[in-house]
Amino acid sequence: GDSVTQMEGPVTLSEEAFLTINCTYTATGYPSLFWYVQYPGEGLQLLLKATKADDKGSNKGFEATYRKETTSFHLEKGSVQVSDSAVYFCALSDRGGGGADGLTFGKGTHLIIQP
Amino acid sequence: ETGVTQTPRHLVMGMTNKKSLKCEQHLGHNAMYWYKQSAKKPLELMFVYSLEERVENNSVPSRFSPECPNSSHLFLHLHTLQPEDSALYLCASSQEPDRLSYNEQFFGPGTRLTVL
Repeated sequence: GDSVTQMEGPVTLSEEAFLTINCTYTATGYPSLFWYVQYPGEGLQLLLKATKADDKGSNKGFEATYRKETTSFHLEKGSVQVSDSAVYFCALSDRGGGGADGLTFGKGTHLIIQP
Repeated sequence: ETGVTQTPRHLVMGMTNKKSLKCEQHLGHNAMYWYKQSAKKPLELMFVYSLEERVENNSVPSRFSPECPNSSHLFLHLHTLQPEDSALYLCASSQEPDRLSYNEQFFGPGTRLTVL
């Protein structure tokens, strides 16, 4: 079945540091890929997405590129802020032809940014 | 800001109680989902409703009973729960995708459930 693997952390960085959170996936079809973020006490918010190979999703300074050859979708940001402290989830949707379906999530990476 | 609301935000119940979680989406979507988020585990899909019909039930114990009376509302009825059912229960919605679109889901803030 489908699966998503991501580094669990916690990942602790200083403000303005470069961020990479690795995510790799296994899917039988041709999935869409997502990064969600969860701030303390809140639900998940979609951060960015990519639907086909070589697509780059970007939002709020975060970027991730859909790499089919390495089955990866690593999250990056050039200069993190304290407000980026949250849990980040990599997810995929492998519907292959329409219809509602659940997302497959990684375990989440807890990111802590220190001033 | 999210177009998906959940009530209550926090719930404490005994193992013999019966309670219900409510989810409402204001996005005009036609698919709704229940997920369970436990510590140190990936989010687990519990139920999927599309056009008000249940299309997936991921081997969830019968002590969890979903209900979707219309496309905007989703309930999770709880009875005879166990302490290990304590978790954050998240509701999500999406517009049922077609062959050319992707399954972007919008999440509510969750209900933090504690079973004593």
